[in-house]
Amino acid sequence: DTAVSQTPKYLVTQMGNDKSIKCEQNLGHDTMYWYKQDSKKFLKIMFSYNNKELIINETVPNRFSPKSPDKAHLNLHINSLELGDSAVYFCASSQGWVGGSNQPQHFGDGTRLSIL
Amino acid sequence: EDKVVQSPLSLVVHEGDTVTLNCSYEVTNFRSLLWYKQEKKAPTFLFMLTSSGIEKKSGRLSSILDKKELFSILNITATQTGDSAIYLCAVAPRNQFYFGTGTSLTVIP
Repeated sequence: DTAVSQTPKYLVTQMGNDKSIKCEQNLGHDTMYWYKQDSKKFLKIMFSYNNKELIINETVPNRFSPKSPDKAHLNLHINSLELGDSAVYFCASSQGWVGGSNQPQHFGDGTRLSIL
Repeated sequence: EDKVVQSPLSLVVHEGDTVTLNCSYEVTNFRSLLWYKQEKKAPTFLFMLTSSGIEKKSGRLSSILDKKELFSILNITATQTGDSAIYLCAVAPRNQFYFGTGTSLTVIP
């Protein structure tokens, strides 16, 4: 059973398009996250939701919009894709905020987004 | 500005060697420091440290935090080729999360 699953695994699209990445966790966790990892392997948090409420919204372009229909899902929609959006996007989940709950964060396998 | 710095950026060792990876940080409202291992895909959790001086250990890996000097080390003894990965340090102030740049470890037979 996959704990945190992201779809699609690979996404190749043209500049200017709108795309979504879906994330689902079956661990019963109440907190979910989106991270971006660039070509130099630097990981940066983008958003975090706790019980469907946004608790972290880093300085990312407003072309990126997270949506959490329920605790088990956190989807990422990206409008007007740009070349600089090419990266691997990771979804993760934890029970409670990862920095305070002593509970590990579980990551999905990532979605590799390539903008042509 | 908050930041997390890891050193070295990359390291190549032979099987059986012992390695020490470093993570220093400057954040306000520090709550915890976490270590992750990333191989081909997603990072996997190794340790979470909140208190100074208390070593956390898992097999050949161990880690300790110094909140006065603002750093942590991750030790790996008797390295194996399966330890080859990027090791990521992250610091979690209140409602925030910062990763370091990572240390790329290569263990050669």
